[in-house]
Amino acid sequence: GAGVSQSPSNKVTEKGKDVELRCDPISGHTALYWYRQSLGQGLEFLIYFQGNSAPDKSGLPSDRFSAERTGGSVSTLTIQRTQQEDSAVYLCASSWVRIFTTDTQYFGPGTRLTVL
Amino acid sequence: ELKVEQNPLFLSMQEGKNYTIYCNYSTTSDRLYWYRQDPGKSLESLFVLLSNGAVKQEGRLMASLDTKARLSTLHITAAVHDLSATYFCAFTEGGTDKLIFGTGTRLQVFP
Repeated sequence: GAGVSQSPSNKVTEKGKDVELRCDPISGHTALYWYRQSLGQGLEFLIYFQGNSAPDKSGLPSDRFSAERTGGSVSTLTIQRTQQEDSAVYLCASSWVRIFTTDTQYFGPGTRLTVL
Repeated sequence: ELKVEQNPLFLSMQEGKNYTIYCNYSTTSDRLYWYRQDPGKSLESLFVLLSNGAVKQEGRLMASLDTKARLSTLHITAAVHDLSATYFCAFTEGGTDKLIFGTGTRLQVFP
């Protein structure tokens, strides 16, 4: 079946602009995660959605970052007033979450964000 | 501070040789993941280890978990060029499903 998809694959923006990154999880997966990968910081957790529960936002680096998940499916990560340090690859993942165990997280291809 | 230490960070090995990548993590966790990443690509799941003493094998790769030592290993047997990639281990922070990743081990296999 179809995997996790993300768009756009590449985004170049100017410092101070807002950007929106989209993630379509695997159909039926109840959990959705955002991570980012950069040379300086490696792979970092950003935010996690599970069903109808309040999202775990503990990894968001500043209040310029926000995310929403509509209808339990598609998610959008928004970065306001982008800064050069926001340049990274933003990865989305999804998984089943079952009682007593958790399936593996399946990652999308990522969005490479470059802030000039 | 939650952290995962992988070593080595870089591994250059000859085809046919064996080697082990080590992953130490800093807190109690009973779930450990190994992922592979090819250059410019996303993360591909290799193994999920769910309990102490778990061992899983796929082809030339074998992963194990010792939760008491907070150590996981990824053993490579008779390496081939196709295994060249970056390998990440990750664990889940207690009571949550968010992954804490190691620094990655960049593996290069040469003839």
